[in-house]
Amino acid sequence: DIQMTQSPSSLSASVGDRVTITCRASQSITSYLNWYQHKPGKGPKLLIYAASRLQSGVPSRFSGSGSGTDFTLTISSLQPEDFATYFCQQSYSTPYTFGRGTKLEIK
Amino acid sequence: QVQLQESGPGLVKPSQTLSLTCTVSGVSISSGGHYWSWIRQLPGKGLEWIGYIYYSGNADYTPSLKSRVTVSVDTPKNQFSLRLSSVTAADTAVYYCARGGGTVYYAMDVWGQGTTVTVSS
Repeated sequence: DIQMTQSPSSLSASVGDRVTITCRASQSITSYLNWYQHKPGKGPKLLIYAASRLQSGVPSRFSGSGSGTDFTLTISSLQPEDFATYFCQQSYSTPYTFGRGTKLEIK
Repeated sequence: QVQLQESGPGLVKPSQTLSLTCTVSGVSISSGGHYWSWIRQLPGKGLEWIGYIYYSGNADYTPSLKSRVTVSVDTPKNQFSLRLSSVTAADTAVYYCARGGGTVYYAMDVWGQGTTVTVSS
């Protein structure tokens, strides 16, 4: 299985801050890396697919980059609705695997 | 608008079979081009992909659960289902169904809200 290592596990930030979350795969997954936002009581929401492609309807303050084994999710200017947990996931090969998540909290 | 909704018992006894259904609305499963997946979140842990199925019937499962899990499709009802046999307390989790593939490079672009399943006698 491909292991996904995500960091940090938690992050405190303020509205308007720029934040970056990283995800590392245990082997190359080319660009098959996806980012999700997860809020309590809801299903995860796809933000970024194929490492850098913004899912339809997702605000442009979200962006993704990387290829191979190292990837980042950046939120350029945090909004109140962005405080949530973020997961990366590889869809390069099954079994699909997720990072452990980054909980983004209000400072 | 595509929507998915999980349903099934919230409580299952140890050694029994967990059965969940995902009802799909807004798109026909038989239209093809997507896979239909189950994912779970164990308490205090991250997300675990369980498996998926295509309309063709082609299915794949995570190795750790492969001996106990079956995902199937009911196209007339536009539903897909999860069966997990011989459950233990370790299978207590929030279970999600999701749609994947299509134009999003095998990502999962539509999710249900999740259903909590507790395994306990």
